Amino acid sequence: QSVLAQPPSVSGAPGQRATISCTGSSSNIGAGYDVQWYQQLPGTAPRLLIYGNTNRPSGVPDRFSGSKSGTSASLAITGLQADDEADYYCQSHDRSLSGVIFGGGTKLTVL
Amino acid sequence: QVTLMESGPALVKPTETLTLTCTFSGFSLTNNGMRVNWIRQPPGKAPEWLARIDWDDDEFYNASLRTRLAISKDASKNLVVLKMTNMDPGDTATYFCARSPYSNSFYSDYWGPGILVTVSS
Repeated sequence: QSVLAQPPSVSGAPGQRATISCTGSSSNIGAGYDVQWYQQLPGTAPRLLIYGNTNRPSGVPDRFSGSKSGTSASLAITGLQADDEADYYCQSHDRSLSGVIFGGGTKLTVL
Repeated sequence: QVTLMESGPALVKPTETLTLTCTFSGFSLTNNGMRVNWIRQPPGKAPEWLARIDWDDDEFYNASLRTRLAISKDASKNLVVLKMTNMDPGDTATYFCARSPYSNSFYSDYWGPGILVTVSS
């Protein structure tokens, strides 16, 4: 059971919008620690999509956006494309555990 | 350009010590704020952060694995080494090293491709 809770799966049709939630606690997201989002295709390393809650690294399309409120964060993907099918993980830091934590992951299916 | 690459054994026996090396280029671990992490991912599961070493030699560990882990660096050779003792089949995973470029932030912007380590007799 991950400290950061994510839905196991989400889906959407091509062109539509998908949202993935990441729920933490007052020990991590609620304590003010930034949230990151990673995309992972099968057999590859995670790829940084969002850092510092809302920032996109160079090369990440603006179809991907992040937000944070209270003890939760969300990743939104607009204009869904077939190659967005992947596993998505949120990441933050936990004060009580004194370390980096990951969510359990969400599998995005583009119908 | 920034690259990282993990190397080590693909197969270890239970109770053995695993030694993994991360060789990197395109950045220096002597630069203020630079950090290198080790992260593992069991098949079909989420990533799990293991350890981090900073430019100033500070070391940080996953509390649940602290007694089994040791991280070290040779900044002059651009490498970071992770040792994990008393390996168990439950430690079977892909092990990644990843760079975190700034102090006070915990994101990893560049990752190695990972190395699958299987623990079996």
